Amino acid sequence: DIVLTQSPATLSVTPGDSVSLSCRASQSISNNLHWYQQKSHESPRLLIKYASQSISGIPSRFSGSGSGTDFTLSINSVETEDFGMYFCQQSNSWPHATFGGGTKLEIK
Amino acid sequence: DVQLQESGPGLVKPSQSLSLTCTVTGYSITSDYAWNWIRQFPGNKLEWMGYISYSGSTSYNPSLKSRISITRDTSKNQFFLQLNSVTTEDTATYYCARSGLRLWYFDYWGQGTTLTVSS
Repeated sequence: DIVLTQSPATLSVTPGDSVSLSCRASQSISNNLHWYQQKSHESPRLLIKYASQSISGIPSRFSGSGSGTDFTLSINSVETEDFGMYFCQQSNSWPHATFGGGTKLEIK
Repeated sequence: DVQLQESGPGLVKPSQSLSLTCTVTGYSITSDYAWNWIRQFPGNKLEWMGYISYSGSTSYNPSLKSRISITRDTSKNQFFLQLNSVTTEDTATYYCARSGLRLWYFDYWGQGTTLTVSS
């Protein structure tokens, strides 16, 4: 199975900061990596597909990059509504999707 | 707009079977896509469980293959999860979600239903 490792586990930031969240795959997955945001007591929401492709309705401050084994979700100028959990998901081993353990973005 | 809504018993005893329903509105589950079950354990770990496709084919997570069944009722635009021989380790929030069959990301999710396994 492909294992996704997200880091850091927790990231404490001040609104207005720009941040980068990491997702590392245990083997190359090309660009088959997707990012989700989950706010408290809500279901996950798709933010980025295929490592860097934007999703309609998602603010432009969210961007993704990477390929192979190393991926990054960047948030340019974090807003208070951005705090919550972030997960990556790989689709390289279709149809057996796996998720990373998540990064919690919290207010400093 | 596409909406998914889970429903279920909330509490199941160990060794019993759990049955959950996902009701889809705004899109026919026989038109396209895969219709998935995903669960989230306490502590936030997410696990893909399986799907039923628009054509009725199924695929399951190998770790669950002996216990899981996903079926559907096309007349009600619903699909179902059955998980047999549950243990306390099956305590989780269960989500239904839509994905492509080749574009394998989850673009619509239900709100989730919490299931506790306890005697």
